[in-house]
Amino acid sequence: GDQVEQSPSALSLHEGTGSALRCNFTTTMRAVQWFQQNSRGSLINLFYLASGTKENGRLKSTFNSKESYSTLHIRDAQLEDSGTYFCAAGNYKYVFGAGTRLKVIA
Amino acid sequence: AQTIHQWPVAEIKAVGSPLSLGCTIKGKSSPNLYWYWQATGGTLQQLFYSITVGQVESVVQLNLSASRPKDDQFILSTEKLLLSHSGFYLCAWSLDETEVFFGKGTRLTVV
Repeated sequence: GDQVEQSPSALSLHEGTGSALRCNFTTTMRAVQWFQQNSRGSLINLFYLASGTKENGRLKSTFNSKESYSTLHIRDAQLEDSGTYFCAAGNYKYVFGAGTRLKVIA
Repeated sequence: AQTIHQWPVAEIKAVGSPLSLGCTIKGKSSPNLYWYWQATGGTLQQLFYSITVGQVESVVQLNLSASRPKDDQFILSTEKLLLSHSGFYLCAWSLDETEVFFGKGTRLTVV
């Protein structure tokens, strides 16, 4: 079945720094979504991409459907960015990556 | 604006007891509806999806069932809970195969 490989599994960032998360897909995906899950469990929609790049504040995401991967870049990390980040893709059978646990340190 | 409401917020249930979780979507007609399950510290696993009233497709067998009795309502249930059913249950909606939006979830503890 469709698989989504997400990396890294965990990440620590000092405030003000940045990094990138990545998802690789084993099959061609039509679109990808990125979510942040907060401490209460709520999933916050960050991006929905069918192709190309989108940017929102300190976050930027790219989806390369031909090479089957997507990235999420975080810059100038803040404490409130801490949480678990998931990518997900598919059609009706939406497959999630395993998640990246991000901890932002003061 | 579209709103998605899940109930209850949390449940503690005994092994072998029945369960019914609900989800209502307001503000959109004929949405696609989904149930997801998340073990503590784990990723999200899609359980069911529904494209229209009365039709539900199973993605993973976990001794659970789902029904869509109304266009805006999605129910997850079982007659006998197992310990392995503990976790976080999330309902979601989308229009066709586009962006998916999630409810706030129900935290289930089976004891």
